[in-house]
Amino acid sequence: DTAVSQTPKYLVTQMGNDKSIKCEQNLGHDTMYWYKQDSKKFLKIMFSYNNKELIINETVPNRFSPKSPDKAHLNLHINSLELGDSAVYFCASSQGLAGRTDTQYFGPGTRLTVL
Amino acid sequence: DAKTTQPPSMDCAEGRAANLPCNHSTISGNEYVYWYRQIHSQGPQYIIHGLKNNETNEMASLIITEDRKSSTLILPHATLRDTAVYYCIVRSHYGGSQGNLIFGKGTKLSVKP
Repeated sequence: DTAVSQTPKYLVTQMGNDKSIKCEQNLGHDTMYWYKQDSKKFLKIMFSYNNKELIINETVPNRFSPKSPDKAHLNLHINSLELGDSAVYFCASSQGLAGRTDTQYFGPGTRLTVL
Repeated sequence: DAKTTQPPSMDCAEGRAANLPCNHSTISGNEYVYWYRQIHSQGPQYIIHGLKNNETNEMASLIITEDRKSSTLILPHATLRDTAVYYCIVRSHYGGSQGNLIFGKGTKLSVKP
């Protein structure tokens, strides 16, 4: 059984479009995260949510908006896609509050390509 | 920025121990040492973490020096499936942004037959 799943696995789209990436975890965790891994392979946190509430919002353009319908899901919506948004996006979850020493479990990633 | 320094790459023979070093000379008292790895095209995977005592689990051992300024991750019998980028991360015990996982460049470990 997949603990943290993401859809789609690959996403190719044109500049200016709006797209969403979905994430679900079946671990019963309270906190979920979005990370971005760019072409240079640096992995950086974007957001974290605890029980559907935004906890951490790193320096991310307003075009990125996370949405958490319930604590098992954290979707990432991106407006007006730009070339620089091309990256692999990883969802993760952990048991407790964002930033505590709980182990984070990562999803398989969504490779977004903006043309 | 990452608070750790790791060699960019290492090779290890299959079946031998892989010893991956990490320097974290500015670590503070409330910060843990975490290790994750990322196998090609997959999400990062937790390996182990520790504060000051050595730790061992089914995947690896973590040796932290007494002054806590460096540590070594040991994979006792490396297999080809252990080929990955290994990240050493220093992470606060407290919540909020201080506890963020901040990934550096890591060490690319290549296990060779």
